[in-house]
Amino acid sequence: DIVMTQSPDSLAVSLGERATVNCKSSQTILHSSNNKNYLAWYQHKPGQPPKLLIYWASTRESGVPDRFTGSGSATDFTLTISSLQPEDVAVYSCQQYYTDPFTFGPGTKVNIK
Amino acid sequence: EVLLVESGGGLEKPGGSLRLSCAASGFSFSGAWMSWVRLAPRKGLEWVGRIKTKNDGETKDYSAPVKGRFTISRDDSQNMVHLDMNGLKVEDTALYFCAKGGPYGTYFDYWGQGIMVTVSS
Repeated sequence: DIVMTQSPDSLAVSLGERATVNCKSSQTILHSSNNKNYLAWYQHKPGQPPKLLIYWASTRESGVPDRFTGSGSATDFTLTISSLQPEDVAVYSCQQYYTDPFTFGPGTKVNIK
Repeated sequence: EVLLVESGGGLEKPGGSLRLSCAASGFSFSGAWMSWVRLAPRKGLEWVGRIKTKNDGETKDYSAPVKGRFTISRDDSQNMVHLDMNGLKVEDTALYFCAKGGPYGTYFDYWGQGIMVTVSS
């Protein structure tokens, strides 16, 4: 199985400041046939379903604010929130869909400092 | 609007059985790969299993911890997907989400609110 790790476990950022969440896969999730990274990012708030933010590592889902940016390739990925807003307090998880079983990172909790 | 609504959770003893159901609306259900994903207390999200479309053979795939105990099925006439859970273990305690697969069953573009399953004696 591909193991997904994330860092940090949690972070606190001031409103308007940048938040960076890292995700690492135990093997490459870059498919050579189409040059796509099979990685998604989700935002999860208590009492709500997880929300898809980013897929193919850097494609923003429709309706997701442009302060959310995904980057990286192969085994190392980053989710950046450029200017943290109160509504961004949540757990952020990465997921690989390169191969079964699909696996998720353990999540990074983002709070306001 | 895409809606996924889970039902059927609750408290069950170890070794017992439960059936979860997910009612879908707002999209072409018969054309979607559907998955179950769970969130255990103090843990990350865990993919449980997936059922592909009829066109893709209704293939079912499961994670190792549930293989042989859980069964996914779908009813395209009712826009429903089910998760039959047998031989429940304490470690199956989690919030279970129904999730719609994106194109070619890739990422999960829509999720239900989740339904709690507690396995305890």
